[in-house]
Amino acid sequence: DTAVSQTPKYLVTQMGNDKSIKCEQNLGHDTMYWYKQDSKKFLKIMFSYNNKELIINETVPNRFSPKSPDKAHLNLHINSLELGDSAVYFCASSQDLVNYEQYFGPGTRLTVT
Amino acid sequence: QKEVEQDPGPLSVPEGAIVSLNCTYSNSAFQYFMWYRQYSRKGPELLMYTYSSGNKEDGRFTAQVDKSSKYISLFIRDSQPSDSATYLCACNSGGSYIPTFGRGTSLIVHP
Repeated sequence: DTAVSQTPKYLVTQMGNDKSIKCEQNLGHDTMYWYKQDSKKFLKIMFSYNNKELIINETVPNRFSPKSPDKAHLNLHINSLELGDSAVYFCASSQDLVNYEQYFGPGTRLTVT
Repeated sequence: QKEVEQDPGPLSVPEGAIVSLNCTYSNSAFQYFMWYRQYSRKGPELLMYTYSSGNKEDGRFTAQVDKSSKYISLFIRDSQPSDSATYLCACNSGGSYIPTFGRGTSLIVHP
């Protein structure tokens, strides 16, 4: 039973398209995150939601818009995709904001051509 | 200078060796220290979690934190080929919601 799941696992698309990535966690956690991992393996936080409310919005282009319909789901929509958006996107969750143990999904490998 | 530094490796060792993986950090406010293991094309998986200075042991893994020198280590005893992965350290202060990750060290344990 997967704790944090993401779909799709792979996404290949052309520049200018709009795409969405979905994330679900069944751990009963309050807090969810989106990270971007670039080719050099750096994990960079993009967004954090707590109980469906946006808590952290790092310096991310406004082409990226997260949405949390409930505390078990956090989706990421990306408009007007650019070559530089190619990366692996990870969803993660933690019990709450003060619990630093994060559980990661398997990642979505986005390739923009 | 990045807040959390790790040598990317790869570090290649024979099976059965003791492995030492290290991170240095610059933010003296960091109090929480974590090690994640990431297999190729998978998400990071929390391995060890420590608070402040000291050692923590879990099976073949020992995490060590030296706050005076801003140095954290992960030791793996009797390393196995299945330990081959990238190991990321992460640090957090009490006032931040988000840990700061190192770039990870790639470990290869060959039979």
